[in-house]
Amino acid sequence: SQTIHQWPATLVQPVGSPLSLECTVEGTSNPNLYWYRQAAGRGLQLLFYSVGIGQISSEVPQNLSASRPQDRQFILSSKKLLLSDSGFYLCAFGTQYFGPGTRLTVL
Amino acid sequence: QKEVEQDPGPLSVPEGAIVSLNCTYSNSAFQYFMWYRQYSRKGPELLMYTYSSGNKEDGRFTAQVDKSSKYISLFIRDSQPSDSATYLCGAGGTSYGKLTFGQGTILTVHP
Repeated sequence: SQTIHQWPATLVQPVGSPLSLECTVEGTSNPNLYWYRQAAGRGLQLLFYSVGIGQISSEVPQNLSASRPQDRQFILSSKKLLLSDSGFYLCAFGTQYFGPGTRLTVL
Repeated sequence: QKEVEQDPGPLSVPEGAIVSLNCTYSNSAFQYFMWYRQYSRKGPELLMYTYSSGNKEDGRFTAQVDKSSKYISLFIRDSQPSDSATYLCGAGGTSYGKLTFGQGTILTVHP
């Protein structure tokens, strides 16, 4: 069965610091992977998606970037965090499976 | 206008009530529709998905799609306290499995 792992689960970072969130999937190969962000009390906003290694599509211009160095690894990064980057970040495989999420607070 | 609009709630109902959760969408290119349940501080879990207009039933849950009016609904029968969560509607089909979500409805079922 497919499983999605995300870490860290919780992160508190100062404004201007870098960010790296990692997502790995098990039980599948060549998955379509997605990064979503959920602001408090809001729905999910698609940030990036990837259909294969090194293939990244950005949905929303912003302070973040994504990479896919391996088939089942998807990374979300930032060089300098903004207050507005706070939120709940979710990695998804296809439309069915979501990871447990990373709650990011930027202070 | 957002592509997917969801009744924001919150909803509070007694145990055993029938719950109706509703979304509308504006993009005619959407081909499939999903309902997710999200418990506090957890990732969403897929409840139901539908591709065509009509009803789809799974236990106490019924998903309804009306493509002519661009309206989707989720009905929960005999609601339980364990159904208390945020419910998200999502629509997709434009490309690569990308989904557009409504803002979510917080449901509380009290004993």
